[in-house]
Order: sequence, then structure tokens, then C-alpha cells
Amino acid sequence: NAGVTQTPKFRVLKTGQSMTLLCAQDMNHEYMYWYRQDPGMGLRLIHYSVGEGTTAKGEVPDGYNVSRLKKQNFLLGLESAAPSQTSVYFCASRATGSGPSSYNEQFFGPGTRLTVL
Amino acid sequence: SQQGEEDPQALSIQEGENATMNCSYKTSINNLQWYRQNSGRGLVHLILIRSNEREKHSGRLRVTLDTSKKSSSLLITASRAADTASYFCATDSKTSYDKVIFGPGTSLSVIP
Repeated sequence: NAGVTQTPKFRVLKTGQSMTLLCAQDMNHEYMYWYRQDPGMGLRLIHYSVGEGTTAKGEVPDGYNVSRLKKQNFLLGLESAAPSQTSVYFCASRATGSGPSSYNEQFFGPGTRLTVL
Repeated sequence: SQQGEEDPQALSIQEGENATMNCSYKTSINNLQWYRQNSGRGLVHLILIRSNEREKHSGRLRVTLDTSKKSSSLLITASRAADTASYFCATDSKTSYDKVIFGPGTSLSVIP
């Protein structure tokens, strides 16, 4: 049981390049999230998904796209990377449950450190 | 934004002392959670408190929630050097419980 894994762990891009970050979870969780973490700002929600085939915008979605074609995978894409997207990206998942009373903890991946030059 | 905000931003204490961190948020919530992050690692869930609860304990952790003040506190008793980490509160909202928003965190240093 690997939990939540992220690929790659590190990446350096040049401005304008594109890339895809992969998040995979083996806990059969319905909900998945992408966050970015910048110094002194905590985690900011980029996009999230409440199930296979669904995605929704978070706090800072601009410049990113996501896809959830398979329940276990959540992809984060940068179409044209900018230096402002230099950050550490974290993926998280949580178990299903509809309604606030069934809320469960999030499980986080180890992060992807992205530098855009 | 209904992001939580932690206070203080940084805290340095001696081993054995208690550490208290506070979190304030802006909108009504269903749940508030505390997470811990060791340097260079992902976040780990510590404790969840629901909006109808006022206090919760887990080992050396004690969390309180005051929904009238929209604030929560995390108390770590008898701190250890291994407690050195960043601590984050995270909230959902009454209208959007699927979204989980984190505060900027408190950096705790426990000096041996």
C-alpha cells in the first residue's frame, strides 16, 4: 500500500515549456486535490476532483489544467510554465463521503519541487 | 477567502514546555483540522474537530474550537525535539465542504 505518490520528485523547466505532474493513490479515494506551497503562504488549493471524470477550480487555478480520467490518478498540467509557478506541489486524497458529517482526513504525497527558469 | 490564519508565525520553546498555536478563519465551517509538516515532507493529519465539538484530545494534543470567535487552538503538551515542524490548520466551509483550505502555518522549534 503506497498511499499517495507523486511523479516526478524534482523538475526544472524553462519559461514557456509544458509539463504534467502525476498523482496516484491506491486507497480507492474519491476526492483528490492539488496544492502549491510557497514560503510563508501555506498551501493554496489549485484544483480538486470529487470523483472520476470531474474537476473543479480551487483558490489559484490560473495557468494550470487538470484531468481525472481514472479514479486513482489526478494529473496537473502546466501548458506554458512561468517563473511564478516555481513552487512545491502537493497532491492529496481523501475517502468518499457526501455531506460535511462524513468528512475524513486528507493523505498527502511527498511533493514535487518545480523550478521554472 | 475562508482561509485559516495561524498565530504565531513562528514559535521557539524549550523541550518539556507546552506549545500553543492559534488559528482563525473567516466563514462558517463544518470541520477544522490540524496538520503537521516536517521539513521537506508532505503533510500529516493530526486531528479533526467538528463544528459541534468544543474540545478534542489525542495523546499530547489538545484542540479547542470556538465557532463564535471563528478560532481554534492547538496545544502540544510536554513538547519534544521531535515536535519541531510546521503546523497548519485547514478548514472547509458550510457551503463548500469539498474544498479544504489551509492557513500559512506556524513554525515550531523545540530546543533540546
